[in-house]
Amino acid sequence: EIVMTQSPATLSVSPGERATLSCRASQSVSSNLAWYQQKPGQAPRLLIYGASTRATGIPARFSGSGSGTEFTLTISSLQSEDFAVYYCQQYNNWLTWTFGQGTKVEIK
Amino acid sequence: EVQLVESGGGLVQPGRSLRLSCAASGFTFDDYAMHWVRQAPGKGLEWVSGISWNSGSIGYADSVKGRFTISRDNAKNSLYLQMNSLRAEDTALYYCAKGRSSSWGIFDYWGQGTLVTVSS
Repeated sequence: EIVMTQSPATLSVSPGERATLSCRASQSVSSNLAWYQQKPGQAPRLLIYGASTRATGIPARFSGSGSGTEFTLTISSLQSEDFAVYYCQQYNNWLTWTFGQGTKVEIK
Repeated sequence: EVQLVESGGGLVQPGRSLRLSCAASGFTFDDYAMHWVRQAPGKGLEWVSGISWNSGSIGYADSVKGRFTISRDNAKNSLYLQMNSLRAEDTALYYCAKGRSSSWGIFDYWGQGTLVTVSS
């Protein structure tokens, strides 16, 4: 099983600042990496797939990068609605998809 | 508009069974793979099981293999999860999720979830 490790566990950021979230895979997943946002009491929402492609309706302030084992989600200028938990997920290994443990982005 | 509505959750004793359902609308159901993903209280996301559009490919997480069975009825636009021999660690919010067309390991739409509590 591919283990996904996210850092930091919690990120404190002021509105308008940049947030950088990291995700590491225990083995290469190529570019088969997705990011999801989850707000309290809500279902997760797909943000990024293919490591860097924004899903439909996702604002341009969200960007993804990386390949292989190291990935980054960047939120260029945090808005109030962006404070949430973010999960990375690999879909490289057929029928054994795994998520990271999540990074909580909180207001500083 | 894509809608996924889960049902069937509840309180169940350890060792008993439960069947979850997911009613889909707003897209051509039989064109897409579907999944169950769960989230234990206060914890992260765990993929549980997935099924291809024609039920030809099915997969399970090791934690549920041999106990859970996924199925779908394309005529009814519905997805199911039969859960047997339930354990306390199966307690979670169970989400139904749609696989994206380009890769069914990408979960592009999610329902609001149904809560399963396993306790005596």
